[in-house]
Amino acid sequence: DVVMTQSPLSLPVTLGQPASISCRSSQSLVHSDGNTYLNWFQQRPGQSPRRLIYMVSNRDSGVPDRFSGSGSGTDFTLKISRVEAEDVGIYYCMQSTHWPPYTFGQGTKLEIK
Amino acid sequence: EVQLVESGGGSVQPGGSLRLSCAASGFTFSNYRMHWVRQVPGTGLVWVSRINGDGSTTNYADSVKGRFTISRDNAKNTVYLQMNSLRAEDTAVYYCARDSASIDYWGQGTLVTVSS
Repeated sequence: DVVMTQSPLSLPVTLGQPASISCRSSQSLVHSDGNTYLNWFQQRPGQSPRRLIYMVSNRDSGVPDRFSGSGSGTDFTLKISRVEAEDVGIYYCMQSTHWPPYTFGQGTKLEIK
Repeated sequence: EVQLVESGGGSVQPGGSLRLSCAASGFTFSNYRMHWVRQVPGTGLVWVSRINGDGSTTNYADSVKGRFTISRDNAKNTVYLQMNSLRAEDTAVYYCARDSASIDYWGQGTLVTVSS
């Protein structure tokens, strides 16, 4: 199984400041079709997860443009350009290149300082 | 608007069974793969199972293989998870989720508690 490792696991951020979350996979996530199936999810307190980014860098509809995804191969990053109060929650990366199983990172808890 | 509504969770003794349902609306259900993902409260997300659009192909996590069965009724826009031989470690919130360029929309989840 592909192991997804996120860092940091806890991320205190001042409002208006940037934030960055790293996600590393135990093997390359480049699929034989040439695509890289790395996704980012946000889970606000008490809510279901919501997909923010798919295939590394594609923002889902309705996701603010302060969220961006980048990376390739085994190293990926989710960046928030200016953190807002509504961004508090847990962020997960997930790979769907090598399945089954689909695998998630451990989660990064973003909180406001 | 895409909506996924799970039901069927509850408390069950070890060795027991439950069937979860997920009613979908707001999209052409038969065109999409569907998943079940679970989350022990306070911990991370764990993929459980997947079914393709016509129900002909299913996949399972090793931890549930042989005990859980995913199925769907496209006439009812519903996906199911039959869970047998339940164990304490199956206790979790179970989410159904749609697959469009991988998992996108999630339901609100239903809690399954396995305890004597």
